[in-house]
Formats: sequence, C-alpha cells, structure tokens
Amino acid sequence: RKEVEQDPGPFNVPEGATVAFNCTYSNSASQSFFWYRQDCRKEPKLLMSVYSSGNEDGRFTAQLNRASQYISLLIRDSKLSDSATYLCVVFNGYGNKLVFGAGTILRVKS
Amino acid sequence: DADVTQTPRNRITKTGKRIMLECSQTKGHDRMYWYRQDPGLGLRLIYYSFDVKDINKGEISDGYSVSRQAQAKFSLSLESAIPNQTALYFCATSDLEGGYNEQFFGPGTRLTVL
Repeated sequence: RKEVEQDPGPFNVPEGATVAFNCTYSNSASQSFFWYRQDCRKEPKLLMSVYSSGNEDGRFTAQLNRASQYISLLIRDSKLSDSATYLCVVFNGYGNKLVFGAGTILRVKS
Repeated sequence: DADVTQTPRNRITKTGKRIMLECSQTKGHDRMYWYRQDPGLGLRLIYYSFDVKDINKGEISDGYSVSRQAQAKFSLSLESAIPNQTALYFCATSDLEGGYNEQFFGPGTRLTVL
C-alpha cells in the first residue's frame, strides 16, 4: 500500500465549478501536511499547508482529518489557470523528508 | 535568475554510460535533495544532504551516488545508467530551521536511458 494515496483523476470541470480532492495517508505519526501544485513538465510548488483547524487561501480550502487520516483540498470558482496536477504531501518528521502522493490531475474547461 | 538550477535540462544516454546531473542554488539553504518522478508513482527521494559533506540515502538510492562539495551544489551520478532510470529528476532545497520548511524545486532534468 502506498504511504500517500490520491485519486489520479483526471477531474474535468467547467470554469466556475467547485471541485474537491481527497488524499489518504497511512502513517498515523505523520506530522505535517501540504498540497503542492505541479504544472505540466514543471517543478512542484507549494500551494498551501494543511492545518487541523482547516485553512483557507482565497478560493482554496484545505482540511485535515487526523482520525480518518485524510486531507482534502477544495477549489471554488475554478479558473482555467487552475488546471494542473495537485500533489498531496506528508511530512513524517524525521530528516525533513516529504512523502509525495502521485497526484490528482485537474482540467478546467471553458 | 532562477534560485535552483539544474543542468542539463534534457539528456539522452545509452545503457552503461556514466552520467552526472548538477544542481545549484542561490537561496543559501543548507538542505538539498534529489528526487525522481515517474508517471503514476509521484516523487521519490533518492538522496539528501543537510550540510556540506553530509550524505543520506533516501527511498531509492541503489544505482545512484551524490556529492555535496559546497553548500550551493549537489550533484547526482549514475555510474552505469540503465533504462529503468529513465525519469524526470528534480533537485530541491530547504532551510535549516527546525521543523518542516517549504522545499523549493529546480526545473527538472529529463533523462532518457536507451
């Protein structure tokens, strides 16, 4: 079983739609959680951190459920520019090493 | 100029050849990492370094070696390349301060081993 699992998608949505991705992780000792965004053939970039209390950054909302060991990303009012692969990332504490999910592909269409 | 650079950006080589991928950074970070990315598998950590001369194996270090001779440079070598090392390779850096810090990635090197 992969340590971090994501639905690979693709999620095809129209502009303006709301879309949500979930990610599950297997290590209950995981300490920190993140969403990275990766455009086609580009490097990953941090989108946002995920806190237990949930956090919001503009149209993006991230939630963490430690009991069920999953995190989520909600994107409201989708834009064409949101089209990318969204990587769920978990930090397990030792050595500042990140564990990456394989990513969820989002395609926003006009 | 980019903060994290990688050379070459693309490389095609043959089985058995030695190849070196270079990573340089101007962010002043102490920690550097090498990952490979394969379709459907996500990024996997090959090696990482917390300081000059500090080397640590990651998840998939077999067939690779690294060198950290300076804070700003971290090189990855494939001593005898094989086709299943065909992948997209990323270098990343992060700050030394405690806990997690954001990792900054280079633009990647696309390596093809024939």
